Amino acid sequence: KQEVTQIPAALSVPEGENLVLNCSFTDSAIYNLQWFRQDPGKGLTSLLLIQSSQREQTSGRLNASLDKSSGRSTLYIAASQPGDSATYLCAAPGYGGATNKLIFGTGTLLAVQP
Amino acid sequence: GAGVSQTPSNKVTEKGKYVELRCDPISGHTALYWYRQSLGQGPEFLIYFQGTGAADDSGLPNDRFFAVRPEGSVSTLKIQRTERGDSAVYLCASSFAGGGTDTQYFGPGTRLTVL
Repeated sequence: KQEVTQIPAALSVPEGENLVLNCSFTDSAIYNLQWFRQDPGKGLTSLLLIQSSQREQTSGRLNASLDKSSGRSTLYIAASQPGDSATYLCAAPGYGGATNKLIFGTGTLLAVQP
Repeated sequence: GAGVSQTPSNKVTEKGKYVELRCDPISGHTALYWYRQSLGQGPEFLIYFQGTGAADDSGLPNDRFFAVRPEGSVSTLKIQRTERGDSAVYLCASSFAGGGTDTQYFGPGTRLTVL
């Protein structure tokens, strides 16, 4: 059974700081892992999808890495801005391999102070 | 093109009533998903459609919940005899082909409140 854990649950940083959000998963037989952003009262916005063969994926100031052997993924945000304030969720496939059932962590609530 | 849309955005109902929640996926996406999100939690999988058929309904909590996608596009999540514990945000997502290898794109959700 896949379980996803995110640490920390909440994080507050001053503007301009670089930061790392952590995600761990129990079933490492996954083809990919997805990071999402959720603003209050809104749906989820896909940020990055990392295929297991890629190990790392970048989009602008965001960089996500995936280490299947250790069951971990990190989301690195460079030069944080107040507009980055949101909840960040990671999601892994629910069974081994490629599956459509995503298992989500409870998220990290990020506040970037101006 | 347009993203995933969901209607209504908010639904308030009384305990015991029947509700329908609608999802319009991104045009051309064959896979459609329903999730439920309670306050302070991540989304929880309910059901996945590939085309018109439910390929995985393992997340439906009980037989009061049912979903259809008759023409392989729009989907409706139906909840009978609603209970207060059904209150949550119901999220719909779609992806191009399914198979677990492509990005799921989410709609804004329907906030269901059962009084």
